[in-house]
This record gives sequence, structure tokens and C-alpha cells, in this order.
Amino acid sequence: KAGVTQTPRYLIKTRGQQVTLSCSPISGHRSVSWYQQTPGQGLQFLFEYFSETQRNKGNFPGRFSGRQFSNSRSEMNVSTLELGDSALYLCASSLNSNLMNTEAFFGQGTRLTVV
Amino acid sequence: AQTVTQSQPEMSVQEAETVTLSCTYDTSESDYYLFWYKQPPSRQMILVIRQEAYKQQNATENRFSVNFQKAAKSFSLKISDSQLGDAAMYFCAYNAGNNRKLIWGLGTSLAVNP
Repeated sequence: KAGVTQTPRYLIKTRGQQVTLSCSPISGHRSVSWYQQTPGQGLQFLFEYFSETQRNKGNFPGRFSGRQFSNSRSEMNVSTLELGDSALYLCASSLNSNLMNTEAFFGQGTRLTVV
Repeated sequence: AQTVTQSQPEMSVQEAETVTLSCTYDTSESDYYLFWYKQPPSRQMILVIRQEAYKQQNATENRFSVNFQKAAKSFSLKISDSQLGDAAMYFCAYNAGNNRKLIWGLGTSLAVNP
């Protein structure tokens, strides 16, 4: 079956703009998590959605937001982009909301560059 | 605060040899999971192996095994018979509780020399 699909793969934006990233989970998976990966900070948890509800949120400013649709597809949005938002954004999907019981499958990420 | 530390930013191994990647973590939880993920140049994070904290037996997956020392809060990954395809970034991660908030180490870049 198809894996986790993230679009677009690459994105270049200007400071102050906003951006929307998309994640389509594996069919049947209801949990979608987002991570920001940078060389200096490593992987940082952004948020997790399950059945269209945000269940957990990391320590990111309010400029970072997300949502999940009824088909489990998820989007994350970053408003008023800053240079420091340049990163690889990874999405992970899993069958349910309890990581300890089920494996999370990752997409290939969206590489966002803010100039 | 929960933290994960990988003290080796880079490692190298000869093909067919064995290499061990180190990971330590800090937590006050008694029940948690630990993971090793591999990230090749394709950027897709792939689960290599996972360990449940309440299980004393070390997890193994083919050529990959862990040395889990709960009291020392240590979780090292051993790769036996290293192959060229093992070259990648390896991340140690921790999770506790009923959520998906994985806490990650900064990774170890593994090179496999032919």
C-alpha cells in the first residue's frame, strides 16, 4: 500500500510569507504527527492530530498551526515566515494515537527554505 | 525534563564489521519506549528497532540489536555484519505516555567503508 505522502517536496518562501504543507497518511491511519528537523536543534515535535482533533502540541509559537481533515489528511501552516523556520518538516502517520503500541511511518518530508 | 543524548556525531565502520552507536536518556518515567530510527539520504525516517522499558530482554531485528541498561539509562545499537546500505543518520528516540511526542537525539552519522 502507499506510504506517507508529503507535498511539496521542496519549497522556497520569502520572509513574512505564509506556507501550507500537506501530509497524506497511510490509508486507515488516523494519527498524524509533525516534526521540524534542523541541523542545530534536531527533530522537534510540532503537534499530533487524531480523528481531526489536536491531541498534543510542542513548544512552538502560534505561527505554527495545523489541522486534520475527515479523511485523515493533515496540513500544517506557518504564518509570517522567519529565516529560522527553514527546515525539513516531517510527517508521521500511525494507526492510532498510542505510539507505544503501534509503529509510526514517516514521509520523506518537505524541505522549506526561507529567504 | 526528558532528554536524549547521542554522544557520537559521526562513526565509521568497515563493511562486514560490527559497530555500536551510543544513546543515553533522562527520564523519571518507569514505563516508556525507546527507538532507533535510520534516516538515509532519501530523508525518510525508518524504524530500525524498538525496546519496551519494562522488558528486560534486549530487542533484536536481524543484524540489529540493542543493549538496554535501564538503571544506567543507556540504549545502544549494535549493527553486525555492516553493509554499505547501512550508511545513514541514526537517531535514538524516546516516548512515554499515551501520546506521539517523540523526544529525539541529535543523531549519529554512520559511514560504511568498503
